Amino acid sequence: DTGVSQDPRHKITKRGQNVTFRCDPISEHNRLYWYRQTLGQGPEFLTYFQNEAQLEKSRLLSDRFSAERPKGSFSTLEIQRTEQGDSAMYLCASSRQGDQETQYFGPGTRLLVL
Amino acid sequence: AQSVSQHNHHVILSEAASLELGCNYSYGGTVNLFWYVQYPGQHLQLLLKYFSGDPLVKGIKGFEAEFIKSKFSFNLRKPSVQWSDTAEYFCAVNTNAGKSTFGDGTTLTVKP
Repeated sequence: DTGVSQDPRHKITKRGQNVTFRCDPISEHNRLYWYRQTLGQGPEFLTYFQNEAQLEKSRLLSDRFSAERPKGSFSTLEIQRTEQGDSAMYLCASSRQGDQETQYFGPGTRLLVL
Repeated sequence: AQSVSQHNHHVILSEAASLELGCNYSYGGTVNLFWYVQYPGQHLQLLLKYFSGDPLVKGIKGFEAEFIKSKFSFNLRKPSVQWSDTAEYFCAVNTNAGKSTFGDGTTLTVKP
């Protein structure tokens, strides 16, 4: 079963450093989503791609955040100049357009900014 | 803008008790509704979904949910919970535009 995979699973970094996360969606899924989840809250939408096009970005996605999906397959989420408030679980999900928007989630990358 | 409200933050039940978790959403148009479950140490998994048709939908592990359009609700139910149902449950809504909006989750603890 090749579900959504994310790498790394955990990341500890110092404030001010840059970090990059990777997401590999389910192979036949053309839509890919990034969410952020903090303790006691549900996932919050950050951005999503249809193939390689980034179709929507949340206001949560400050200019320190950038996401790419260059070939319409895997995606990366980069956070520049990390802040302690960026500490969270970053979730990736994918879906197949036309599959009633059913999103399948990866295990997440837990980021801790010291 | 869409929003989702889950009424109970933490529910504690004994095994064999019945479960109902509330979910209300705010959106004026057509929505797709989901319940996800996150078992301890695992990632979010789809429990069930509603798109159209019969408002009573059945999911995995004996769960079901009822969509009541007039109340903007999509409550999750299970007649008899098991210890293995201990998990966090999230209600979510999306439109065909793609992104999902999640509630803040309900932590269910089932005592053996």
